[in-house]
Amino acid sequence: DSGVTQTPKHLITATGQRVTLRCSPRSGDLSVYWYQQSLDQGLQFLIQYYNGEERAKGNILERFSAQQFPDLHSELNLSSLELGDSALYFCASSKGQGPNQPQHFGDGTRLSIL
Amino acid sequence: EDQVTQSPEALRLQEGESSSLNCSYTVSGLRGLFWYRQDPGKGPEFLFTLYSAGEEKEKERLKATLTKKESFLHITAPKPEDSATYLCAVPDYGGSQGNLIFGKGTKLSVKP
Repeated sequence: DSGVTQTPKHLITATGQRVTLRCSPRSGDLSVYWYQQSLDQGLQFLIQYYNGEERAKGNILERFSAQQFPDLHSELNLSSLELGDSALYFCASSKGQGPNQPQHFGDGTRLSIL
Repeated sequence: EDQVTQSPEALRLQEGESSSLNCSYTVSGLRGLFWYRQDPGKGPEFLFTLYSAGEEKEKERLKATLTKKESFLHITAPKPEDSATYLCAVPDYGGSQGNLIFGKGTKLSVKP
């Protein structure tokens, strides 16, 4: 158990809809990262928050947004969903803000768009 | 552009048959390399961090080594429970600072 909690485990929805994925980091970790994993692309970095502030951004679509709350949990919002958004979405956390320390991953949310 | 390449894509071993997985990278000024294990339907599980060439880390049947251009994950006398996808990653200090660049992984199957 990594200590990172993601909910829900599965989401099934339709094109055009909006969903929210939630992540609680490990106790004491200030950074939260979001990744997308699809079969052909592997793990792709989306965005990082550190202590409530956006720290780094990857190839995150404009339809996607995230935030980190004062209690350090984070939410990833996906809107105007398309079939290609079907993937596993992982959250990870680490103590500091730099990339040279281990990130610990949750078990992900599997998003299926019908 | 920083790249991480893992080989082979898939590896099938008999129980007890030792082997190595490779991770090669092209980054300017490596500041760490990470190995993860991922089981189906689960998130990546952190295994090792290596920071400098010549460094080695061990955990049970796994040993990770690092050179200036690549890392190896050596698996000694593997057991079926070692079956998983093994991912390596390097920190991105380029355009998207703060993230890890992952390889596509080596899927290891160990048959009894």
